[in-house]
Amino acid sequence: EVQLLESGGGLVQPGGSLRLSCDASGFTFNTYAMNWVRQAPGKGLEWVSGSSATSSDTYYADSVRGRFTISRDSSKNTLLLQMNSLRVEDTAVYYCAKGRGTSPWYALDYWGQGALVIVSS
Amino acid sequence: QSVLTQPPSASGTPGQRVTISCSGSNSNIGSEIVNWYQQLPGTAPKLLIYNNNQRPSGVPDRFSGSKSGNSASLAISGLQSEDEADYYCASWDDTLHGRLFGGGTKLTVL
Repeated sequence: EVQLLESGGGLVQPGGSLRLSCDASGFTFNTYAMNWVRQAPGKGLEWVSGSSATSSDTYYADSVRGRFTISRDSSKNTLLLQMNSLRVEDTAVYYCAKGRGTSPWYALDYWGQGALVIVSS
Repeated sequence: QSVLTQPPSASGTPGQRVTISCSGSNSNIGSEIVNWYQQLPGTAPKLLIYNNNQRPSGVPDRFSGSKSGNSASLAISGLQSEDEADYYCASWDDTLHGRLFGGGTKLTVL
């Protein structure tokens, strides 16, 4: 059974940093792309970032490029999202999602339950 | 404002057929596959349709997807109360080099 478990969310001040983790199990982690998708309170889904299966290709939404960094630790089957220079508008539930294939543009077939990030002073 | 345009709301009565549209452009829907996600209240999104019209295992055949040109549609037949949810279309954009989601459509079963 595929499982994705996010952790690392919390309250942070504007300008601060936070690192999200997503522990993956139930599939061969290094053969599937992984993504982060967020949802602000009461709003729709917004794709944040994606990593190919081998980490050779990474992609970012314009809203986070240069501030967020996606990475993978295949030894621990973990997806990471380093978030720096956080803004109030980054407040959201962040979902980790598995791709159906090796590249980030494949459909997202499994999702975690999400980690809440609140950016506020 | 999302680059993929969906109606904010849709509704139907039990047993009816409803469709939700998703409009994009040449750089996304026009040249890439479309996927649909269902998000029940208080839960994580779930993949409903992939590769324009394919259903993952476990998704009832009441749900179907189609694509034509720069637009796509999700159809739900035999509407049931448990179908009440938010529905999102999504596609990769070749110009932005990123994934796009539609703004979402809230489906109400009357």
